[in-house]
Amino acid sequence: DTGVSQDPRHKITKRGQNVTFRCDPISEHNRLYWYRQTLGQGPEFLTYFQNEAQLEKSRLLSDRFSAERPKGSFSTLEIQRTEQGDSAMYLCASTSPYQSEQYFGPGTRLTVT
Amino acid sequence: AQSVTQLGSHVSVSEGALVLLRCNYSSSVPPYLFWYVQYPNQGLQLLLKYTTGATLVKGINGFEAEFKKSETSFHLTKPSAHMSDAAEYFCAVSDGGGADGLTFGKGTHLIIQP
Repeated sequence: DTGVSQDPRHKITKRGQNVTFRCDPISEHNRLYWYRQTLGQGPEFLTYFQNEAQLEKSRLLSDRFSAERPKGSFSTLEIQRTEQGDSAMYLCASTSPYQSEQYFGPGTRLTVT
Repeated sequence: AQSVTQLGSHVSVSEGALVLLRCNYSSSVPPYLFWYVQYPNQGLQLLLKYTTGATLVKGINGFEAEFKKSETSFHLTKPSAHMSDAAEYFCAVSDGGGADGLTFGKGTHLIIQP
Protein backbone atom coordinates (compact mmCIF):
# COMPACT_ATOMS: atom_id res chain seq x y z
CA ASP A 1 0.00 0.00 0.00
CA THR A 2 1.50 3.31 -1.07
CA GLY A 3 -0.20 5.56 1.46
CA VAL A 4 -1.87 8.92 0.93
CA SER A 5 -0.15 11.04 -1.71
CA GLN A 6 -0.46 14.77 -2.37
CA ASP A 7 0.62 16.87 -5.29
CA PRO A 8 2.35 19.25 -5.48
CA ARG A 9 4.42 19.17 -2.29
CA HIS A 10 5.19 22.86 -2.55
CA LYS A 11 3.43 25.70 -4.33
CA ILE A 12 4.43 29.35 -4.49
CA THR A 13 1.89 31.68 -6.00
CA LYS A 14 1.18 35.36 -6.21
CA ARG A 15 -1.73 36.94 -4.40
CA GLY A 16 -4.86 36.81 -6.49
CA GLN A 17 -3.94 33.67 -8.42
CA ASN A 18 -5.90 30.43 -8.27
CA VAL A 19 -4.29 27.19 -7.08
CA THR A 20 -5.40 23.57 -7.11
CA PHE A 21 -4.08 20.71 -5.00
CA ARG A 22 -4.61 17.01 -5.51
CA CYS A 23 -4.92 14.20 -2.98
CA ASP A 24 -4.87 10.48 -3.75
CA PRO A 25 -6.12 8.45 -0.77
CA ILE A 26 -5.20 4.93 0.15
CA SER A 27 -7.04 2.65 -2.24
CA GLU A 28 -10.46 1.53 -1.02
CA HIS A 29 -10.60 4.25 1.63
CA ASN A 30 -14.03 5.79 1.16
CA ARG A 31 -13.57 8.78 3.47
CA LEU A 32 -11.26 11.63 2.58
CA TYR A 33 -10.48 14.72 4.68
CA TRP A 34 -8.80 18.08 4.11
CA TYR A 35 -7.08 20.05 6.87
CA ARG A 36 -5.10 23.29 7.01
CA GLN A 37 -2.11 23.73 9.29
CA THR A 38 -0.48 27.09 9.91
CA LEU A 39 2.90 27.55 11.55
CA GLY A 40 2.92 26.58 15.19
CA GLN A 41 -0.66 25.32 15.16
CA GLY A 42 -2.40 22.00 14.97
CA PRO A 43 -4.26 20.97 11.83
CA GLU A 44 -7.72 22.51 11.41
CA PHE A 45 -10.48 20.56 9.74
CA LEU A 46 -11.77 21.98 6.45
CA THR A 47 -14.04 19.39 4.86
CA TYR A 48 -14.62 15.70 4.30
CA PHE A 49 -16.06 13.33 1.74
CA GLN A 50 -17.66 9.95 1.98
CA ASN A 51 -17.23 8.50 -1.47
CA GLU A 52 -18.13 11.39 -3.79
CA ALA A 53 -20.44 13.16 -1.34
CA GLN A 54 -19.13 16.16 0.56
CA LEU A 55 -20.67 15.62 4.00
CA GLU A 56 -19.27 18.41 6.13
CA LYS A 57 -17.63 21.78 5.62
CA SER A 58 -15.96 23.88 8.28
CA ARG A 59 -16.64 27.58 8.70
CA LEU A 60 -12.97 27.97 7.73
CA LEU A 61 -13.88 26.95 4.20
CA SER A 62 -14.69 30.34 2.73
CA ASP A 63 -16.40 30.88 -0.61
CA ARG A 64 -12.98 31.04 -2.26
CA PHE A 65 -12.33 27.41 -1.37
CA SER A 66 -13.91 24.48 -3.18
CA ALA A 67 -13.25 20.78 -2.91
CA GLU A 68 -14.35 17.94 -5.14
CA ARG A 69 -14.12 14.18 -5.26
CA PRO A 70 -15.90 13.44 -8.51
CA LYS A 71 -15.49 9.68 -8.73
CA GLY A 72 -14.99 8.88 -5.09
CA SER A 73 -11.27 8.35 -5.54
CA PHE A 74 -8.88 11.31 -5.70
CA SER A 75 -9.87 14.76 -4.50
CA THR A 76 -8.95 18.31 -5.45
CA LEU A 77 -8.92 21.44 -3.32
CA GLU A 78 -9.04 24.73 -5.19
CA ILE A 79 -8.39 28.16 -3.74
CA GLN A 80 -9.47 31.09 -5.85
CA ARG A 81 -8.04 34.60 -5.57
CA THR A 82 -5.41 33.55 -3.05
CA GLU A 83 -4.56 35.83 -0.14
CA GLN A 84 -1.45 35.92 2.01
CA GLY A 85 -3.47 34.45 4.86
CA ASP A 86 -3.94 31.30 2.80
CA SER A 87 -0.27 30.46 3.24
CA ALA A 88 -0.26 27.17 5.13
CA MET A 89 0.29 23.44 4.87
CA TYR A 90 -2.74 21.68 3.39
CA LEU A 91 -3.06 18.12 4.61
CA CYS A 92 -5.17 15.33 3.22
CA ALA A 93 -6.18 12.21 5.14
CA SER A 94 -8.21 9.11 4.41
CA THR A 95 -9.78 6.21 6.24
CA SER A 96 -11.94 3.17 5.63
CA PRO A 97 -15.36 2.34 7.08
CA TYR A 98 -13.71 -0.18 9.40
CA GLN A 99 -11.19 2.15 10.99
CA SER A 100 -11.39 5.11 13.34
CA GLU A 101 -7.95 6.54 12.65
CA GLN A 102 -7.10 8.78 9.72
CA TYR A 103 -3.99 8.32 7.59
CA PHE A 104 -2.31 11.52 6.53
CA GLY A 105 -0.44 12.48 3.41
CA PRO A 106 2.78 14.54 3.42
CA GLY A 107 0.93 17.78 2.75
CA THR A 108 1.15 20.61 0.23
CA ARG A 109 2.89 23.72 1.49
CA LEU A 110 1.38 26.85 -0.06
CA THR A 111 3.18 30.17 0.01
CA VAL A 112 1.31 33.23 -1.23
CA THR A 113 3.56 36.19 -2.03
CA ALA B 1 -18.24 21.32 20.23
CA GLN B 2 -15.16 19.43 21.22
CA SER B 3 -11.81 21.00 22.05
CA VAL B 4 -8.30 19.90 22.96
CA THR B 5 -5.78 21.60 25.22
CA GLN B 6 -2.15 20.59 25.23
CA LEU B 7 -0.26 22.02 28.18
CA GLY B 8 3.20 23.18 27.24
CA SER B 9 4.04 24.19 23.69
CA HIS B 10 7.61 22.97 24.30
CA VAL B 11 8.80 20.15 26.54
CA SER B 12 12.48 19.38 27.03
CA VAL B 13 13.75 16.12 28.55
CA SER B 14 17.10 14.41 28.74
CA GLU B 15 17.80 11.30 26.72
CA GLY B 16 16.72 8.32 28.80
CA ALA B 17 14.31 10.33 30.96
CA LEU B 18 10.56 9.94 31.22
CA VAL B 19 8.48 11.71 28.59
CA LEU B 20 5.11 13.13 29.66
CA LEU B 21 3.00 15.16 27.24
CA ARG B 22 -0.30 16.43 28.56
CA CYS B 23 -3.64 16.49 26.79
CA ASN B 24 -7.05 17.50 28.11
CA TYR B 25 -10.19 17.41 26.02
CA SER B 26 -13.80 18.46 26.14
CA SER B 27 -16.50 16.46 24.45
CA SER B 28 -20.24 16.13 24.80
CA VAL B 29 -20.20 12.42 23.97
CA PRO B 30 -17.77 9.58 24.70
CA PRO B 31 -14.77 10.59 22.66
CA TYR B 32 -12.34 8.81 20.45
CA LEU B 33 -8.84 10.11 21.26
CA PHE B 34 -5.65 10.05 19.22
CA TRP B 35 -2.01 11.01 19.46
CA TYR B 36 -0.14 11.82 16.26
CA VAL B 37 3.52 12.68 15.71
CA GLN B 38 4.82 15.02 13.02
CA TYR B 39 8.43 15.24 11.89
CA PRO B 40 9.59 18.38 10.04
CA ASN B 41 7.97 18.87 6.64
CA GLN B 42 6.05 15.62 6.89
CA GLY B 43 2.47 14.56 7.46
CA LEU B 44 1.12 13.14 10.69
CA GLN B 45 1.75 9.59 11.84
CA LEU B 46 -0.56 7.85 14.27
CA LEU B 47 1.08 6.90 17.56
CA LEU B 48 -1.93 5.42 19.33
CA LYS B 49 -5.66 5.72 19.79
CA TYR B 50 -8.39 5.17 22.37
CA THR B 51 -11.85 4.17 21.22
CA THR B 52 -13.48 1.96 23.85
CA GLY B 53 -12.40 -0.70 26.32
CA ALA B 54 -9.06 -0.71 28.07
CA THR B 55 -8.13 2.78 29.18
CA LEU B 56 -4.38 2.24 28.95
CA VAL B 57 -3.40 2.01 25.31
CA LYS B 58 -0.02 1.18 23.88
CA GLY B 59 1.28 2.55 20.65
CA ILE B 60 4.31 2.53 18.44
CA ASN B 61 7.86 3.42 19.47
CA GLY B 62 7.25 2.61 23.15
CA PHE B 63 4.60 5.27 23.74
CA GLU B 64 1.46 4.73 25.75
CA ALA B 65 -1.45 6.86 26.96
CA GLU B 66 -4.15 6.52 29.58
CA PHE B 67 -7.73 7.69 29.13
CA LYS B 68 -9.07 9.18 32.36
CA LYS B 69 -12.70 10.14 31.96
CA SER B 70 -12.97 11.82 35.38
CA GLU B 71 -10.06 14.10 34.53
CA THR B 72 -10.93 14.43 30.81
CA SER B 73 -7.30 13.65 30.10
CA PHE B 74 -5.32 11.52 27.68
CA HIS B 75 -1.66 12.09 28.58
CA LEU B 76 1.11 10.52 26.50
CA THR B 77 4.10 8.88 28.17
CA LYS B 78 7.27 7.04 27.30
CA PRO B 79 9.53 5.60 30.01
CA SER B 80 12.83 6.45 28.33
CA ALA B 81 13.31 9.19 25.74
CA HIS B 82 15.42 8.63 22.64
CA MET B 83 16.94 11.28 20.43
CA SER B 84 14.72 10.10 17.57
CA ASP B 85 11.62 11.08 19.60
CA ALA B 86 12.29 14.77 18.95
CA ALA B 87 9.26 15.94 16.98
CA GLU B 88 5.90 17.71 17.24
CA TYR B 89 3.14 15.79 19.00
CA PHE B 90 -0.57 16.41 18.52
CA CYS B 91 -3.51 15.19 20.55
CA ALA B 92 -6.83 14.95 18.72
CA VAL B 93 -10.45 14.14 19.54
CA SER B 94 -13.37 12.83 17.51
CA ASP B 95 -16.99 13.02 18.62
CA GLY B 96 -18.22 10.99 15.71
CA GLY B 97 -16.53 7.67 16.31
CA GLY B 98 -13.70 8.69 14.05
CA ALA B 99 -15.90 9.35 11.05
CA ASP B 100 -15.93 13.13 11.34
CA GLY B 101 -13.15 15.65 11.15
CA LEU B 102 -10.67 15.57 14.01
CA THR B 103 -10.16 18.46 16.41
CA PHE B 104 -6.48 18.89 17.22
CA GLY B 105 -4.61 20.59 20.00
CA LYS B 106 -1.95 23.17 19.19
CA GLY B 107 0.81 20.63 19.58
CA THR B 108 3.80 20.09 21.86
CA HIS B 109 7.32 20.30 20.54
CA LEU B 110 9.41 17.62 22.25
CA ILE B 111 13.10 18.42 22.62
CA ILE B 112 15.54 15.71 23.65
CA GLN B 113 18.72 16.86 25.38
CA PRO B 114 21.76 14.59 24.94
